[in-house]
Amino acid sequence: EDQVTQSPEALRLQEGESSSLNCSYTVSGLRGLFWYRQDPGKGPEFLFTLYSAGEEKEKERLKATLTKKESFLHITAPKPEDSATYLCAVQGGSGGSNYKLTFGKGTLLTVNP
Amino acid sequence: EPEVTQTPSHQVTQMGQEVILRCVPISNHLYFYWYRQILGQKVEFLVSFYNNEISEKSEIFDDQFSVERPDGSNFTLKIRSTKLEDSAMYFCASRPQETQYFGPGTRLLVL
Repeated sequence: EDQVTQSPEALRLQEGESSSLNCSYTVSGLRGLFWYRQDPGKGPEFLFTLYSAGEEKEKERLKATLTKKESFLHITAPKPEDSATYLCAVQGGSGGSNYKLTFGKGTLLTVNP
Repeated sequence: EPEVTQTPSHQVTQMGQEVILRCVPISNHLYFYWYRQILGQKVEFLVSFYNNEISEKSEIFDDQFSVERPDGSNFTLKIRSTKLEDSAMYFCASRPQETQYFGPGTRLLVL
């Protein structure tokens, strides 16, 4: 069974204070690892897909990296509008062509001005 | 930019009643999903749908649940006899390749 663990559960930063969120996973045959942003009462908003160890993706102040056991979401000089819950999800290879996602609980990021 | 849409945004129902949640996936996507998120918990997979049939369902998706693509644009989730524990946010998602794009969700409250 695929599993995803995210840490920390909550993170409070000052504006401009860089940090990283962690996503550890166990999966039988990783097809893809996904990062989503979720605002309160909204649906997950896609950020990145990573497919293989060593891969990195960047978008504005966010950079996602992937190893064989974990992924990091680095936030550089965050702003208050980056406040949200960040979700990590994996697609394993055991489900045929189904491509279902297994999510972690998320990290609630709060950026204070 | 195309988006997944869902209606209604909120639904309140009495225990034992049937509800239908509606989704319009992105138009050129062929794979469709329903997930749910109970307040404060993880997003959980319910069911996947491709080529007019269920391709996988979770143990949550029991006989009280059904999905349908009644026409070329809509994708629905029906709960036949709602229970208190069905109260959750329900998200529809669709994908062209690996990445799934989610709708804004329907908040279902069962009283």
